[in-house]
Amino acid sequence: KAGVTQTPRYLIKTRGQQVTLSCSPISGHRSVSWYQQTPGQGLQFLFEYFSETQRNKGNFPGRFSGRQFSNSRSEMNVSTLELGDSALYLCASSSPGRGVSGANVLTFGAGSRLTVL
Amino acid sequence: AQKVTQAQTEISVVEKEDVTLDCVYETRDTTYYLFWYKQPPSGELVFLIRRNSFDEQNEISGRYSWNFQKSTSSFNFTITASQVVDSAVYFCALSEESSGAGGTSYGKLTFGQGTILTVHP
Repeated sequence: KAGVTQTPRYLIKTRGQQVTLSCSPISGHRSVSWYQQTPGQGLQFLFEYFSETQRNKGNFPGRFSGRQFSNSRSEMNVSTLELGDSALYLCASSSPGRGVSGANVLTFGAGSRLTVL
Repeated sequence: AQKVTQAQTEISVVEKEDVTLDCVYETRDTTYYLFWYKQPPSGELVFLIRRNSFDEQNEISGRYSWNFQKSTSSFNFTITASQVVDSAVYFCALSEESSGAGGTSYGKLTFGQGTILTVHP
């Protein structure tokens, strides 16, 4: 069973540019969540998508956006990049369900490491 | 608002020692999940254990065990007979239930600050 795939793994951008990161969840998983990890702030929740709808959004500015497609694949976009956006962006997918073995366990991808110069 | 606190920033042990990682959480939800994840130097978060809020039974899985106590809002994790390969950053996390069209999901996690575990040979 393939895991969560994130592309690209590494990228370098300059301030003011925008970036799009992609996440392919585990087959059958309908929930996709995004997290930002930085040395100073740790792991912070960005947003969660479930069946193409945004379920939750973290405390991030509007420059951070995302979407989910009908095949559950998700993308996140950051516009007008700032130096502070340099981080490891992690995507996770899960299969919802109560009382179902393995349900609601987030499986994470290897991440996309963004460097903003 | 949910909050997870891992009081130990760094722990250093010698191989074969037992080590316990502490986690305290805050939530107003009655239904939630608690997790421990491991992040090795490669960066990928690896799921270790999960406990739901309505089951306080503590279990042992191989060298891992956990102690979940709702009364003190704690979810501590123990590695028995530590090994060098256990060296990593360990995160405790609390999920939040979200309901909507299509069902209930738990994709929003609040993480603790992480505990760096170093196991020396």
